[in-house]
Amino acid sequence: AQSVTQLDSQVPVFEEAPVELRCNYSSSVSVYLFWYVQYPNQGLQLLLKYLSGSTLVKGINGFEAEFNKSQTSFHLRKPSVHISDTAEYFCAVTPSEKLVFGKGTKLTVNP
Amino acid sequence: DAGVIQSPRHEVTEMGQEVTLRCKPISGHNSLFWYRQTMMRGLELLIYFNNNVPIDDSGMPEDRFSAKMPNASFSTLKIQPSEPRDSAVYFCASSLNQPQHFGDGTRLSIL
Repeated sequence: AQSVTQLDSQVPVFEEAPVELRCNYSSSVSVYLFWYVQYPNQGLQLLLKYLSGSTLVKGINGFEAEFNKSQTSFHLRKPSVHISDTAEYFCAVTPSEKLVFGKGTKLTVNP
Repeated sequence: DAGVIQSPRHEVTEMGQEVTLRCKPISGHNSLFWYRQTMMRGLELLIYFNNNVPIDDSGMPEDRFSAKMPNASFSTLKIQPSEPRDSAVYFCASSLNQPQHFGDGTRLSIL
């Protein structure tokens, strides 16, 4: 079975600061990895995905993530955040169809 | 392209009533997933279908919950009888391989 740990439940940052949201996973088989973002009263929107190939993955809205197999991590980064990035971010993994989600990290960007 | 469409967006009903949530997946997608999101338990997979066949319903909480997918363009999640602890946001997602695309959810309140 797979599990996902998002190490920070809340991350407050100031506008234009860099941010890293941490995600570690556990799995005995190879997995695909994803980051989703959820804005208030909306569904989950895909930010980026790692299926294979380059371990540095670029997504929408200036976000990127790096797959580190030895550390079983898939941390999400953005060099300069905006107020509009305030949302909840979910890391997810799957070996095939079923996604296993982390508990989420609430990112709050303050002016 | 139209995304995953869920209805209703909000539902408020009294305990003991039957509740039916509806989902129209993205055309061409062959997998459909029902999730429940609560503050306490986060995102939980309830059931998923592949080519209209239920593949894994191990997340369905109890016999009061049932889901059907009569054709490739429609699915329902039914709760009968409903209880206050069923109050949550229910999401439908669909995919063709990966990634999953989510609807905006149904916010269900059982009084």
